[in-house]
Amino acid sequence: DAKTTQPNSMESNEEEPVHLPCNHSTISGTDYIHWYRQLPSQGPEYVIHGLTSNVNNRMASLAIAEDRKSSTLILHRATLRDAAVYYCIRPNRDDKIIFGKGTRLHILP
Amino acid sequence: SAVISQKPSRDICQRGTSLTIQCQVDSQVTMMFWYRQQPGQSLTLIATANQGSEATYESGFVIDKFPISRPNLTFSTLTVSNMSPEDSSIYLCSAIRDRHTEAFFGQGTRLTVV
Repeated sequence: DAKTTQPNSMESNEEEPVHLPCNHSTISGTDYIHWYRQLPSQGPEYVIHGLTSNVNNRMASLAIAEDRKSSTLILHRATLRDAAVYYCIRPNRDDKIIFGKGTRLHILP
Repeated sequence: SAVISQKPSRDICQRGTSLTIQCQVDSQVTMMFWYRQQPGQSLTLIATANQGSEATYESGFVIDKFPISRPNLTFSTLTVSNMSPEDSSIYLCSAIRDRHTEAFFGQGTRLTVV
C-alpha cells in the first residue's frame, strides 16, 4: 500500500514551472514525505523530502499543506531532462520505501 | 549522498539456473533493500536485507526463491534461484544511511531468462 495518490500523468512546457501534486490524507504526525524520480533506463533518484515545513534544494521545492494531507513538488523551470516518473512516498515505520505508480511527467519542447 | 554499485548490470540466464546479484555501497548504511521492476511497471519491494540475521520478505516473496545475504554494513547479495522466464526483470538494490533520511538506489541488474 503506497498510501499516496498521484495523477497518472502530466504535461508541461519546457522552461516553465511544474507543480506535481500528491495526496496523503491518512498521514500521521511523524510520517515524512519523500519524492523520487526515475529517468528512463535508470534507477530511481532522490529528489527531496520533508516533514512539516516547505523544503528547497537545488533540484526542486516541496510545498507541504498546513494539514499535511497533501504536498506539491515544484520544479521551477522544467527541462527535457526532467521527463521522468515522479514518485511521492511515505516511508513506513521501518523506513521502507513502497512505490506506487507515480506520475509520468512529459516535457514538451 | 551514497553511491551504490550493482553487479552484474545485465545477464542472460538459462531457465533452472541461479544468479547472484551483488550490491556494494561506498559507505556504511543502516538499511538495505532489494526491489524488482518488471517492464513498464513500478518497483516492488522484495525484502529488507538485515545484517547478521535473516532477511525480512514482503508478501509474495520467499527465501527459497530469493535468498539474501548481508554480511556487513556496506554489502548485500540477492540470489534469484531456479529461474524461469517470469523472473525476467530489473532487480535494484537500495540503501538508507540513517532513519528518516533519503534512500539511494543502484542502477539495477537487467535479467533475462531464456
